[in-house]
Amino acid sequence: AQSVTQLDSQVPVFEEAPVELRCNYSSSVSVYLFWYVQYPNQGLQLLLKYLSGSTLVKGINGFEAEFNKSQTSFHLRKPSVHISDTAEYFCAVSGTGNQFYFGTGTSLTVIP
Amino acid sequence: DTGVSQDPRHKITKRGQNVTFRCDPISEHNRLYWYRQTLGQGPEFLTYFQNEAQLEKSRLLSDRFSAERPKGSFSTLEIQRTEQGDSAMYLCASSLGRGRHNEQFFGPGTRLTVL
Repeated sequence: AQSVTQLDSQVPVFEEAPVELRCNYSSSVSVYLFWYVQYPNQGLQLLLKYLSGSTLVKGINGFEAEFNKSQTSFHLRKPSVHISDTAEYFCAVSGTGNQFYFGTGTSLTVIP
Repeated sequence: DTGVSQDPRHKITKRGQNVTFRCDPISEHNRLYWYRQTLGQGPEFLTYFQNEAQLEKSRLLSDRFSAERPKGSFSTLEIQRTEQGDSAMYLCASSLGRGRHNEQFFGPGTRLTVL
């Protein structure tokens, strides 16, 4: 079975500070992991994905994530956040049946 | 823009009424997915289509829910005899290919409110 746990429901951070959003996964099959962002009243947009190869994955808008198999984690990071990064962030793992299993989301609020 | 579109964006209905939502995927995408998202939760899988074939359904998809994708293009999701617990955002996504690794592109969603 596949599942994702996002450990922080809300993360406030000051503008230009670094941020890390945590994600732990469980999977009984080979792992494909994704981070999506959802802005208010919009659909989900892909930030980055891990399929195989390098464990450090770079995405859009300056975000990156590191796949750690031993810790079953896929944490999202950004070295310096902007006001425009305020949004809901979802970690997801691909299931055996091709659907995605999403975490409960982390609400990132960037404080000016 | 040729992204995933959904119609309507908002739907308010009374308990017991039937509602139907439409999703138009990215034109060349062969897979189409429906998810449900409630407040404070991530999207939960409902069902998916490979072309016109419905290949998987979640246990969340009760017999009041039905989805179709005639001709492998747009899809409809119908909810019969709506209940207040059906109030949620219904998201549609599409992808190209057959693998588990393919990115899913999401539409803006249809927000359903059942009074």
